[in-house]
Amino acid sequence: DTGVSQDPRHKITKRGQNVTFRCDPISEHNRLYWYRQTLGQGPEFLTYFQNEAQLEKSRLLSDRFSAERPKGSFSTLEIQRTEQGDSAMYLCASSYLGLADEQFFGPGTRLTVL
Amino acid sequence: EDKVVQSPLSLVVHEGDTVTLNCSYEVTNFRSLLWYKQEKKAPTFLFMLTSSGIEKKSGRLSSILDKKELFSILNITATQTGDSAVYLCAVPPGGTNAGKSTFGDGTTLTVKP
Repeated sequence: DTGVSQDPRHKITKRGQNVTFRCDPISEHNRLYWYRQTLGQGPEFLTYFQNEAQLEKSRLLSDRFSAERPKGSFSTLEIQRTEQGDSAMYLCASSYLGLADEQFFGPGTRLTVL
Repeated sequence: EDKVVQSPLSLVVHEGDTVTLNCSYEVTNFRSLLWYKQEKKAPTFLFMLTSSGIEKKSGRLSSILDKKELFSILNITATQTGDSAVYLCAVPPGGTNAGKSTFGDGTTLTVKP
């Protein structure tokens, strides 16, 4: 399967713990996006990378959230000191720069904070 | 701030019916509008629309954009139970450094046998 992959698919954690998610984009895609989706709403943009550079970060993203894409391939999203409001589906998408609007999504990581 | 509004929020039909889903948008420097289908997993891409009045078709699904009135519609004819899903509309911002999309909250379509 050469699509976008995410790991883990599900994560249950206690409030206050740190969690890290991984996304592996489609190999030739140089743009990578993170979105968050809660029930009944569309995906909400968090941040995106072009190669290893983080080009934009949503102002809604608190400083407990950090993302990296160290070698311009896979990316990690870390949430520190998780809160119950962080419970959501975290979606990763990738695209090719020349067709940046057409994004391909991974299966998502569902986070539950108890 | 960019805004995408979809209607209706939910729709229940029977197999064989035709449905029309709506998406209106407000965005600076419009470039494209995208439709996605989301079942109990990540969104999958359906259409990208850039020009007004040109219909895009894929099987029983079709979509058209009106850049003057700032909306798009997604039509599904002869609906099947497998069409049951959330249909999302998204608009990326303009500009050369853009790519992230603003999504609507989706229309939940339920097709009953």
